[in-house]
Amino acid sequence: GAVVSQHPSWVICKSGTSVKIECRSLDFQATTMFWYRQFPKQSLMLMATSNEGSKATYEQGVEKDKFLINHASLTLSTLTVTSAHPEDSSFYICSASPRGAYNEQFFGPGTRLTVL
Amino acid sequence: QKEVEQNSGPLSVPEGAIASLNCTYSDRVSQSFFWYRQYSGKSPELIMSIYSNGDKEDGRFTAQLNKASQYVSLLIRDSQPSDSATYLCAGHKAAGNKLTFGGGTRVLVKP
Repeated sequence: GAVVSQHPSWVICKSGTSVKIECRSLDFQATTMFWYRQFPKQSLMLMATSNEGSKATYEQGVEKDKFLINHASLTLSTLTVTSAHPEDSSFYICSASPRGAYNEQFFGPGTRLTVL
Repeated sequence: QKEVEQNSGPLSVPEGAIASLNCTYSDRVSQSFFWYRQYSGKSPELIMSIYSNGDKEDGRFTAQLNKASQYVSLLIRDSQPSDSATYLCAGHKAAGNKLTFGGGTRVLVKP
């Protein structure tokens, strides 16, 4: 149980284009989903928290107009990186908290974004 | 002071030995803690959660929480080469209902 999927697993795009990453909870409903970014040899950095049906809460320093988050249902959240630049190249990982779980988060497999 | 701190390692242990990992936390982190294992190039995998003082055992893993001293530890018994990974300690922050991660401890189990 508690399986989270992400799509795509990797993506290469040209600078200036937009990329959408999907995060799905496959066998549970997730009232809250989280988006993290991880650069090589660094720990996870929380970008934003999204609750179903409401606007995402972004961490300090994360541009909400650049990283668009939509949490349309209890099983799907999307992150769109708009006008991507090489410095946006990173490992993007989502996580989800099952309804009723005590603060636990289960992570998706991650999406490796490379911007040329 | 960082909210959750870990020694970055690497922690090198021989196969079959006990690996001991420590994590300290600040007052800004509440009382539920999690240990995640992350292999290189992969996403974190939850291996243990602990909410109350004392020990919690699950297979070869034992988590220990000491609220008075504000530390949480993870013991890996009978370490195997497949345990070689980075172990992330995370504490829950009630404000914002989110996890705060330590920098991770890299563990190397040598055959």
